[in-house]
Amino acid sequence: DAGITQSPRHKVTETGTPVTLRCHQTENHRYMYWYRQDPGHGLRLIHYSYGVKDTDKGEVSDGYSVSRSKTEDFLLTLESATSSQTSVYFCATLGYEQYFGPGTRLTVT
Amino acid sequence: GIQVEQSPPDLILQEGANSTLRCNFSDSVNNLQWFHQNPWGQLINLFYIPSGTKQNGRLSATTVATERYSLLYISSSQTTDSGVYFCAVDSPRSQGAQKLVFGQGTRLTINP
Repeated sequence: DAGITQSPRHKVTETGTPVTLRCHQTENHRYMYWYRQDPGHGLRLIHYSYGVKDTDKGEVSDGYSVSRSKTEDFLLTLESATSSQTSVYFCATLGYEQYFGPGTRLTVT
Repeated sequence: GIQVEQSPPDLILQEGANSTLRCNFSDSVNNLQWFHQNPWGQLINLFYIPSGTKQNGRLSATTVATERYSLLYISSSQTTDSGVYFCAVDSPRSQGAQKLVFGQGTRLTINP
């Protein structure tokens, strides 16, 4: 357990609205990641961070932005949510091993 | 980039049976982890095993890095072992920061 929390845990929102998901860690890990998990696609990397203010794109970054102003917090923003972004979102950190947060289930109607 | 292939995709067993899950990867690795995603969606670390063998209770894992595969063994399966098992790897030759590449998973169902 790497002390990772995600908020909110569940969210329903309408198409076109902005959404921000928060990941908070207590282990002072340098690396943090956002994944989405969809049936038939496994876990896909959206964005990751290798330090405060240092972020980069993953394989499915279109429609998402991230920010990391403090070591412990990594935010994922959907600027204008679409139904294709309905998914379960996992945050993870990397210390010696990679650890995952509990996930956020997002539904875009 | 590195490719990860897991087999079998699905496995259905009776309680008490043993199982072997396989993970093949296409390049040398400096990180290999096995995860279990339980039916409630939680992703749990099982092993960090870029090479060698480890055991934790009824579970054990072996990675043969020179032959580019890893095996996860589950003995005396219990219904609580049900879920999806993921293998994930990182290669020293991957560009950019450390990032795990995940296989598609093996869905294990243990029937009572």
